[in-house]
Amino acid sequence: SQWGEENLQALSIQEGEDVTMNCSYKTYTTVVQWYRQKSGKGPALIILIRSNEREKRSGRLRATLDTSSQSSSLSITGTLATDTAVYFCATPGTQVVGQLTFGSGTRLQVYA
Amino acid sequence: EAAVTQSPRSKVAVTGGKVTLSCHQTNNHDYMYWYRQDTGHGLRLIHYSYVADSTEKGDIPDGYKASRPSQENFSLILELASLSQTAVYFCASRLGIQDTQYFGPGTRLLVL
Repeated sequence: SQWGEENLQALSIQEGEDVTMNCSYKTYTTVVQWYRQKSGKGPALIILIRSNEREKRSGRLRATLDTSSQSSSLSITGTLATDTAVYFCATPGTQVVGQLTFGSGTRLQVYA
Repeated sequence: EAAVTQSPRSKVAVTGGKVTLSCHQTNNHDYMYWYRQDTGHGLRLIHYSYVADSTEKGDIPDGYKASRPSQENFSLILELASLSQTAVYFCASRLGIQDTQYFGPGTRLLVL
């Protein structure tokens, strides 16, 4: 799983497989955002989950949030080669208004 | 779709030189942010601004200055560039505290 200053994790899978990425965060939050960053581009929000949802779906994406264990997961079903990217979880920062604190990310490579 | 542009997209600078990175957004967003991303790591907040003519320090402000001359423009200034400032820099904007952050494409800075 990702957080803080740990090095980027890497996963390699074949197209069509399902994948789950995990994120553990340090401070209590009621919202977790998941961003996808494709090569040479900035991060883009793909799914946002709040504590009252526990699970959120968007197309082939599914996010979960467990505030008791301070963890979140992002699952992608039926991966495509175009899902190849780095995936970050982000939570609101505690020191700066509106800040996001990003995890270290998971690099996902999907082979066709 | 919110538009955030950055210039230059890449730059090579010499140690001790001055570097200015520029960010422009066209969506009347109040908040703007500068992050740096080091290879294999997540994004870290350098400076941010919530109104024109005002900037605030983020988590890692040392060695950087910021300028917000208008709502649309936000610059990051390295007065004396150092080798350790080699990284990819991302600008982001958001309308309000709870809204999504929209990222620019990034500026790849190499300090030699």
